[in-house]
Amino acid sequence: AQKITQTQPGMFVQEKEAVTLDCTYDTSDPSYGLFWYKQPSSGEMIFLIYQGSYDQQNATEGRYSLNFQKARKSANLVISASQLGDSAMYFCAMREWETSYDKVIFGPGTSLSVIP
Amino acid sequence: DAGVIQSPRHEVTEMGQEVTLRCKPISGHNSLFWYRQTMMRGLELLIYFNNNVPIDDSGMPEDRFSAKMPNASFSTLKIQPSEPRDSAVYFCASSPGTGTSYGYTFGSGTRLTVV
Repeated sequence: AQKITQTQPGMFVQEKEAVTLDCTYDTSDPSYGLFWYKQPSSGEMIFLIYQGSYDQQNATEGRYSLNFQKARKSANLVISASQLGDSAMYFCAMREWETSYDKVIFGPGTSLSVIP
Repeated sequence: DAGVIQSPRHEVTEMGQEVTLRCKPISGHNSLFWYRQTMMRGLELLIYFNNNVPIDDSGMPEDRFSAKMPNASFSTLKIQPSEPRDSAVYFCASSPGTGTSYGYTFGSGTRLTVV
């Protein structure tokens, strides 16, 4: 079963506008972490933001914020004031603790294009 | 901090040849992960080491794939014999510890092409 769902294969946003990238997840573990990574065309994976399942407040990192709705199992990434350099693939990921080990599972990604 | 270092950046090899990908994790990170990325399957976890010990290799596609971590600063992923369907970008990532609050730092990846 798909544990991380990103329903938007591709998104367009006008430069300087805000954009929301959707992510829903599935877990029965009460302790988990949610991450967003950016992959520009050069191919590297860049960590953006982290949200813990017990965190009371939504995470923010500069222009990035995570809209965490635990009951809905939703962890959407909000990018404010989009820049041309934000054009990239964005991956939502979840790290959960299973028995004696843990691992990170990635969603299929959303391709974001920022239009001048 | 030099980050996670992978080599080579690009590898082109003929079907049937042995391929070895290398990874140096960030010093002090005790968890290491090998991922494979393809258009069809996205990012797949191949194997996970904790304190140099393989913990979960359920993602290794078949016996042609093997991974080792002889010490805390070096890991290899070997494919023998290689096949065209192994063509992908292989990422190594490391993490300072187990637990859900630790994210991964990725290397730049190795783009493997098997012809």
